[in-house]
Order: sequence, then C-alpha cells, then structure tokens
Amino acid sequence: GAVVSQHPSWVICKSGTSVKIECRSLDFQATTMFWYRQFPKQSLMLMATSNEGSKATYEQGVEKDKFLINHASLTLSTLTVTSAHPEDSSFYICSASARGSVNTEAFFGQGTRLTVV
Amino acid sequence: SQQGEEDPQALSIQEGENATMNCSYKTSINNLQWYRQNSGRGLVHLILIRSNEREKHSGRLRVTLDTSKKSSSLLITASRAADTASYFCATDEYGNKLVFGAGTILRVKS
Repeated sequence: GAVVSQHPSWVICKSGTSVKIECRSLDFQATTMFWYRQFPKQSLMLMATSNEGSKATYEQGVEKDKFLINHASLTLSTLTVTSAHPEDSSFYICSASARGSVNTEAFFGQGTRLTVV
Repeated sequence: SQQGEEDPQALSIQEGENATMNCSYKTSINNLQWYRQNSGRGLVHLILIRSNEREKHSGRLRVTLDTSKKSSSLLITASRAADTASYFCATDEYGNKLVFGAGTILRVKS
C-alpha cells in the first residue's frame, strides 16, 4: 500500500521556539494532505487541510498563525508550530490523499509526539 | 469537530470472546473507515465500507453500515491479546477528509 512518512517521530523543544514537522507521500502524489492533533486518551481532531499550491484550510478554532502549513510540492506538506508552549504538547499526525482518489482509504503518517518544556 | 459517538468507551473481554463496537455519525458520507491505534502509535487502517454497502468482512473483522440510522458496528471475532488497542471510526464526507469518532478502548485479557 501507499506509504506516508512523517518526521520526526518525536521532538522535545523549549517554550517559545518553533518546530517543523514534515509529511511526505513516498510513492504517490498527494494533492491534499490533512493534519490532525490528538491529546492523550482522546480522539483525532482535524486541524487543517493542506492543498498543494494554495493556502491551507483551517478548522474552526485552529490558529493559522500558530500552526503554519506549507504544501509546496505534491509529495510534501509541513506543519510548523510557532512559538510553542507546553499546551501545544500533543501527538500530531498527517494523512495524504492520492491524486484523483475517491472512496479509498486514507494513508497516515506514523505521527509526531511533540513535548514542549 | 467529531462526527459523533462511539460506544462503548471502553471494553474489557477475555481472549477468544467477540468484541463489538458501535459508531454513530451525523452527516451524509461517502464511506466510513475503521482504524486501530496502539498506545502512542500511528493509525492502522482496518476496513473501509462505502455508503452503498451494508456489510463487509476482512479476516476476523466484520463491519456493518446502516445509513438510515447513521451508524456502523465493528465486530472482532475470536479476540486475541494482540487486539488490545483503541479503535476509531472515521467518516469521509468527501476527498478523504476524515472526521473521527471518540474511540473505543479495547482490552483483551489472556
């Protein structure tokens, strides 16, 4: 099956710094990627939809200036958590949708555990 | 936002027993997908059922979909200790934008 690679798998950073998370589709072109966030013992919450070559679409309540998304190519989307604070500590996971796919499974990255100290 | 509820929130059974999890959703969908997540790890896709399908099987998994009731169920037969995980349903309204349910934590005791 298709592979989505997410990097890093975990990161610890200091408050006030920024962290970049990469999501790559390894063997298919992804016009759309999705970023989710998961707090401990909770479900995944969609943060934003990343569209290649255009601005991301953010879900209600998600600060676009805080969570910068760039989808510069058909195989790479990045999420940058800017000026991170301890409350941003969470599990972030991306998924990718193959170009032209309809009614097919979504392919997820392995997730990134962010800890802000 | 989340589509709806999953029940039970937690389920504890003995190895060999069957486990049934239910999921309800609110809007029209293209398909519904079930995922498994081991603690602190990524998601494993289990099964996808399209809106025009009523039942689907994959190994020890059986999924049903009732679009009139906006509900789905996941049955795991002959459970194993390795099935211990969190299980999520996710609805796809369009283009693989998934909205996840709250999840069921399954514990299979050996």
